[in-house]
Amino acid sequence: DQQVKQNSPSLSVQEGRISILNCDYTNSMFDYFLWYKKYPAEGPTFLISISSIKDKNEDGRFTVFLNKSAKHLSLHIVPSQPGDSAVYFCAASEIDTDKLIFGTGTRLQVFP
Amino acid sequence: EPEVTQTPSHQVTQMGQEVILRCVPISNHLYFYWYRQILGQKVEFLVSFYNNEISEKSEIFDDQFSVERPDGSNFTLKIRSTKLEDSAMYFCASNSGRTEAFFGQGTRLTVV
Repeated sequence: DQQVKQNSPSLSVQEGRISILNCDYTNSMFDYFLWYKKYPAEGPTFLISISSIKDKNEDGRFTVFLNKSAKHLSLHIVPSQPGDSAVYFCAASEIDTDKLIFGTGTRLQVFP
Repeated sequence: EPEVTQTPSHQVTQMGQEVILRCVPISNHLYFYWYRQILGQKVEFLVSFYNNEISEKSEIFDDQFSVERPDGSNFTLKIRSTKLEDSAMYFCASNSGRTEAFFGQGTRLTVV
């Protein structure tokens, strides 16, 4: 039961360019979405979130876009840096619950 | 910067043995969680804990699992009789409510 899907297992981007990571969801009860970054042997690190009442949230180099009608969100990283190389997880939670449902992750590699 | 800390970082145990994984959440947080990630798979919710009781649990969190907040700072996950399939990274997380959850660095549990 994959309520949160990240269909691209990997993405390779040149330093300085834009990285776009995508996430689709099926549960219309989700109202809060987050992106986490994870390095090997470490816990997920929070990057940015968005509530379903918004369609965009920006924090420095990171912008999350939410398209509720398409049940799709994306994370844009501009400009990409080699230190951004990690696995990125999309996560979502339903109204009136705190548990996070994670996607399978996308491995981003930023090369010089 | 406050952080969630977990001990031990790696635990090896024999099948059928009991294990206790320990976590110190961020001090002013009120909601505590356990998640796990089996190698190569997504991060999965196990249980949430608020006001000294379980607020939500997944179907993974069966009678073999229990959580406790024995004092004002620690939050523990006990697995009573470990199985081979319990081998995974276990992550503790905490937050103040419907905000981003902060994760610890994880405990790698290996059941042999």
